[in-house]
Amino acid sequence: DAGVTQSPTHLIKTRGQQVTLRCSPKSGHDTVSWYQQALGQGPQFIFQYYEEEERQRGNFPDRFSGHQFPNYSSELNVNALLLGDSALYLCASSFWGKPQHFGDGTRLSIL
Amino acid sequence: AQSVTQLDSQVPVFEEAPVELRCNYSSSVSVYLFWYVQYPNQGLQLLLKYLSGSTLVKGINGFEAEFNKSQTSFHLRKPSVHISDTAEYFCAVSEGRDDKIIFGKGTRLHILP
Repeated sequence: DAGVTQSPTHLIKTRGQQVTLRCSPKSGHDTVSWYQQALGQGPQFIFQYYEEEERQRGNFPDRFSGHQFPNYSSELNVNALLLGDSALYLCASSFWGKPQHFGDGTRLSIL
Repeated sequence: AQSVTQLDSQVPVFEEAPVELRCNYSSSVSVYLFWYVQYPNQGLQLLLKYLSGSTLVKGINGFEAEFNKSQTSFHLRKPSVHISDTAEYFCAVSEGRDDKIIFGKGTRLHILP
């Protein structure tokens, strides 16, 4: 049973560019959440998707946007990248009150 | 607003010794509490959770935690650590089972030989 899978594992971009990160939830899960983990910090909640709609959003600017597809997979898009966007981006999936399962993340480096 | 404070950024402990990682939380409503572990270059793995019921929660890898509502604490313990327990440990809180999770800044457990 595959867990949460994220792609790519590593990514290097330059300031001002745009990036798309992808997440496939654990089998049977229908809710996807995204978190940003800066170096030496705990993860911070970006937003959560359920039934293809954004259900909750953390304190992140509109440059961060997302999407959920009918098969429950999800994308995180970040526009106009800043140096401060360098972080590990974690995807988590869940189903009906069950604890969230996390993927191994995408490490994004901004030059 | 919810918040989580992990009182120690780093905890060194000798192998086979007991360890306690401290966590305090703040919330205006009933909460669910979690401990996650993060090994180098990996994502987060759920160690244990408190949703309701018994305040002593047992998790994987021999860890346990005790929920103390009056002290708003959820400390993690293990009676005897192994070198393989070297990792970053995150305490976290949520207001609902599917709700966003608020994490502490983490405690790095360093096992000494």
